[in-house]
Amino acid sequence: EAGVTQFPSHSVIEKGQTVTLRCDPISGHDNLYWYRRVMGKEIKFLLHFVKESKQDESGMPNNRFLAERTGGTYSTLKVQPAELEDSGVYFCASSPGQGSNSPLHFGNGTRLTVT
Amino acid sequence: AQSVSQHNHHVILSEAASLELGCNYSYGGTVNLFWYVQYPGQHLQLLLKYFSGDPLVKGIKGFEAEFIKSKFSFNLRKPSVQWSDTAEYFCAVRGKGAGNNRKLIWGLGTSLAVNP
Repeated sequence: EAGVTQFPSHSVIEKGQTVTLRCDPISGHDNLYWYRRVMGKEIKFLLHFVKESKQDESGMPNNRFLAERTGGTYSTLKVQPAELEDSGVYFCASSPGQGSNSPLHFGNGTRLTVT
Repeated sequence: AQSVSQHNHHVILSEAASLELGCNYSYGGTVNLFWYVQYPGQHLQLLLKYFSGDPLVKGIKGFEAEFIKSKFSFNLRKPSVQWSDTAEYFCAVRGKGAGNNRKLIWGLGTSLAVNP
């Protein structure tokens, strides 16, 4: 089966610009997660979709971040306007079930650099 | 507060050396525990996990980890490392049960370099 794919793999933008990251989960996986790793820090949870609904968005840093999952398939994470502290690697993961035993499958991540 | 602490941030070993990476966690409840690995240029992948039962769990590529409940620890071990084990290793926990606890809580990661 195809894995979780993320696009782009790298993005370099200037402060104040807008960037949209995309994640295609494994087909049939209802659960989709976004995580972020800022350099030198832990990977942090951003939010969790179940199908098209936001189950938990407690990790979203602020209202400059907007995540969507129209139709319950792929998801986008938009940062507008981007700030320097948004730089990091954004990971997407999907899983078939919602239980805590359900394994997560990760994409390769998008490395975002805001200059 | 929920947190995961990994004791070693950078480890350099020679091939055939033994490896132990420390992981301690703080979480107000019962947890599932995980070790993930990210090889250079690849995605994060599950190395091993502990949900219940035997506290000594075995994962892929000869790795194992032991859950010691009294110490809130889940250390990763491998008796003899190979050059191909060069990667970044992450310890993570996730709460059991229902509710908005699906998120993984991660450690800082340990970068392992194995010299041939």
